[in-house]
Amino acid sequence: DAGVTQSPTHLIKTRGQQVTLRCSPKSGHDTVSWYQQALGQGPQFIFQYYEEEERQRGNFPDRFSGHQFPNYSSELNVNALLLGDSALYLCASSVGLGLYEQYFGPGTRLTVT
Amino acid sequence: QQPVQSPQAVILREGEDAVINCSSSKALYSVHWYRQKHGEAPVFLMILLKGGEQKGHEKISASFNEKKQQSSLYLTASQLSYSGTYFCGTDKGVTGGGNKLTFGTGTQLKVEL
Repeated sequence: DAGVTQSPTHLIKTRGQQVTLRCSPKSGHDTVSWYQQALGQGPQFIFQYYEEEERQRGNFPDRFSGHQFPNYSSELNVNALLLGDSALYLCASSVGLGLYEQYFGPGTRLTVT
Repeated sequence: QQPVQSPQAVILREGEDAVINCSSSKALYSVHWYRQKHGEAPVFLMILLKGGEQKGHEKISASFNEKKQQSSLYLTASQLSYSGTYFCGTDKGVTGGGNKLTFGTGTQLKVEL
C-alpha cells in the first residue's frame, strides 16, 4: 500500500518564478492538506482540499494556490517566488473532514535563489 | 497563535521517562501529537479530543486539560527509536473544518545508551 507521495523531491528556482508541487494521497484518503516547514520550525498550515474545493486556508498570501483532482491528488502552486519561500513543503492526507490522523509525505525541498 | 512547547530539548538515557508539554492561549477542540525524525516526514502519534477521547499509540500516553488549554505527552521507558522532534498540533474545531492544525514550537528529544 503506497503511502503519500510527493514530487519533485528537490527543486531550485529563481526569485520571481513560479513553481508547482504535486502530491498523491495515501490509498483510501480523500483529503489533502499542504504545509510549509522552515528549517528548525514546525509545519505551518497552508490550505486543505476536500471534494476538489479549498476548505480551509492558513495565513498565506494569494501567491499560494492549489487544486485537487477527481482522483484526490493535489497540486500546490506558488507564484512570484520570494527568497522566504525556501522551505520544505509537506503534503498530508487524511479521511474526510473529521479529526483523523494525517499521513505526511516525504516533502519537496524548495530552494529559491 | 502558535502553541508553546516545553522543554525545548531534552536528553534521556534509554529506559528513562519524559514529559513534553504543549500550551495554547486559545480554546482548543483537539490536540494532535507527531514525531519527526531528522530528514523525515512527521509521523502521527496521538489525537486527544475535547471530552477525553483518545486515538493513537498504545505505548504512548497523553493528557488534555481543556480548562488550561494544555496537553502533555508521556514517554515511558524510552527507547533509542523515540529520538526525534515532537510537535503538538492544535485545532480550534471550526465547523466542517477538519484538521486545520497549528503546530507548536517543537521539542527535540534524544535518547542515548
